[in-house]
Amino acid sequence: NAGVTQTPKFRVLKTGQSMTLLCAQDMNHEYMYWYRQDPGMGLRLIHYSVGEGTTAKGEVPDGYNVSRLKKQNFLLGLESAAPSQTSVYFCASSAATDTQYFGPGTRLTVL
Amino acid sequence: QQQVKQSPQSLIVQKGGISIINCAYENTAFDYFPWYQQFPGKGPALLIAIRPDVSEKKEGRFTISFNKSAKQFSLHIMDSQPGDSATYFCAASKPHDMRFGAGTRLTVKP
Repeated sequence: NAGVTQTPKFRVLKTGQSMTLLCAQDMNHEYMYWYRQDPGMGLRLIHYSVGEGTTAKGEVPDGYNVSRLKKQNFLLGLESAAPSQTSVYFCASSAATDTQYFGPGTRLTVL
Repeated sequence: QQQVKQSPQSLIVQKGGISIINCAYENTAFDYFPWYQQFPGKGPALLIAIRPDVSEKKEGRFTISFNKSAKQFSLHIMDSQPGDSATYFCAASKPHDMRFGAGTRLTVKP
């Protein structure tokens, strides 16, 4: 049981490039979330999904898109990366609307 | 506007001492209050959580104290150990909306 996995672990982009972060969970959880973690600011919710085929905006959605084509996967896309998107990105999943289980994170640097 | 305020930013405690981290929230719609522990290079992991219908919850050396009227809650770590050195985040949540504090870096000196 791997729990929540994220790929890649590290990535460096140039301004304007695009990329997709992949989150996978093997716990059959309905709910999945994408957060970003910045120094001194804790974690902030970007987008979330309450089930396959559904997505919704969180606290800081601008500049990001998401898709949930399969229940176990949740993709986070950056269409045109900006230096302000340099951050550590965490995916989480939950079975109910309380306990969330987090992945190991992706460290993204945008030059 | 940060909806959950956490203090202190950093904390140094001697082995065997008590670590105390405090959080305050504003939105009374929050109904779930977890604490997460994060080690460097890892994702946050749930440590302990409480709902507002109880004032205290204890799990081993970790205790949450909750004051609903003051909209405050705190984490107490008894008999702190060097292995407890990590960053701790409080959070306040309602369905699909979890707001985190800025984190407290705890160092337990041997």
